[in-house]
Amino acid sequence: DGGITQSPKYLFRKEGQNVTLSCEQNLNHDAMYWYRQDPGQGLRLIYYSQIVNDFQKGDIAEGYSVSREKKESFPLTVTSAQKNPTAFYLCASSIRDRQETQYFGPGTRLLVL
Amino acid sequence: EDQVTQSPEALRLQEGESSSLNCSYTVSGLRGLFWYRQDPGKGPEFLFTLYSAGEEKEKERLKATLTKKESFLHITAPKPEDSATYLCAVQAINSNSGYALNFGKGTSLLVTP
Repeated sequence: DGGITQSPKYLFRKEGQNVTLSCEQNLNHDAMYWYRQDPGQGLRLIYYSQIVNDFQKGDIAEGYSVSREKKESFPLTVTSAQKNPTAFYLCASSIRDRQETQYFGPGTRLLVL
Repeated sequence: EDQVTQSPEALRLQEGESSSLNCSYTVSGLRGLFWYRQDPGKGPEFLFTLYSAGEEKEKERLKATLTKKESFLHITAPKPEDSATYLCAVQAINSNSGYALNFGKGTSLLVTP
């Protein structure tokens, strides 16, 4: 089945630690996105990538980093510089054309110990 | 600045009691408006894309409509399994974030038997 997978489902971070969230898709989509979801707020864009080896900052990129070495993969690292990392993280992908629908993965919930 | 406002924040319906959810938007140029359904702890599930005013789309008990300022998600004779949070998002022409979506905060729908 084609789709987007995210792992792990739950992730615990200790203070000062960097953690990496995985996002993989087998939909042959060019574009991939990372959003953050907090209670009572809409999804906010962290980073996006429209093509391999290229990515752009979104609205709330501070304290996060990404890479896009393969079309299928777009991992997100939450660094120690992100002071409020507790949130639900969602990865999405789409065909890199205008008006194309974004499909979402199941999400990773990050909690701070 | 692009804005998406959803109302009401929460809605409680009896099974079979039809209603509508509202999504008001302000965007310099609309590329597309998207509706998603999100269950607790899960990623958003795509429902509809609307591209131009006057467009309507239907799926089972759901019908989405679009005007130049807002979109409605009409729910006809809802069932308890329709309980979820419904998210509205817009994609803007000439966005600084590629094809990323700008989300509203969602409407939490509860349908009781």
